[in-house]
Amino acid sequence: DIQMTQSPSSLSASVGDRVTITCRASQNINIFLHWYQQKPGKAPKLLIYTAAVLESGVPSRFSGSGSGTEFTLTISSLQPEDFATYYCQQSYSTPQLTFGPGTRIDIK
Amino acid sequence: QVTLRESGPALVKPTQTLTLTCTFSGFSLSTSGMCVNWIRQSPGKALEWLALIDWEDDKYYTTSLKTRLTISKDISKNQVVLTMTNVDPVDTATYYCTRMRFVDSGLPPHGMDVWGQGTTVTVSS
Repeated sequence: DIQMTQSPSSLSASVGDRVTITCRASQNINIFLHWYQQKPGKAPKLLIYTAAVLESGVPSRFSGSGSGTEFTLTISSLQPEDFATYYCQQSYSTPQLTFGPGTRIDIK
Repeated sequence: QVTLRESGPALVKPTQTLTLTCTFSGFSLSTSGMCVNWIRQSPGKALEWLALIDWEDDKYYTTSLKTRLTISKDISKNQVVLTMTNVDPVDTATYYCTRMRFVDSGLPPHGMDVWGQGTTVTVSS
């Protein structure tokens, strides 16, 4: 199975900060990497698919990049509603799907 | 509008069989490229993919739970059912169903674009 790792596991940031989260795959997954945002008590929400495509309705301050084994999610200017946990997920090895362990963003 | 809603018991005893139902609307599981997944999240933990069923009725399971899981669909009711046998307290989690689509022929899907709200299951005697 393809293993996913994320760094950092958590971070503290302030409103307006630029934040970058990294996701790494244990083998080449091309661009089949997707990002989700989860707020406490809520279901995850798809933010970005195929590494860099913004899901409809997602603010443009979110962006994704990468291919192969290394990917990043960037929030250009952190907003109060962005404090949440972010997960990456690969679909390259569908039907065996795997998620990263998550990155929690807290208020500094 | 695409929606999914999970339902099932809130409490089950160890060794029992857990049955969860995902009732969806706004799409058909008989449409080419359409899939439904089950995902779970133990308290404070990461997301874990459990099972997938597709438009051709192909079924797939996570390796670690393959012997305990069964996924099925009822096209007429727009439902997907997941059963898990011999549950244990470690199976305590929130269980989500999600939609996923193969958009481009021959390529992997684009991610899980719609999620249910989740149903919380506690395994305890």
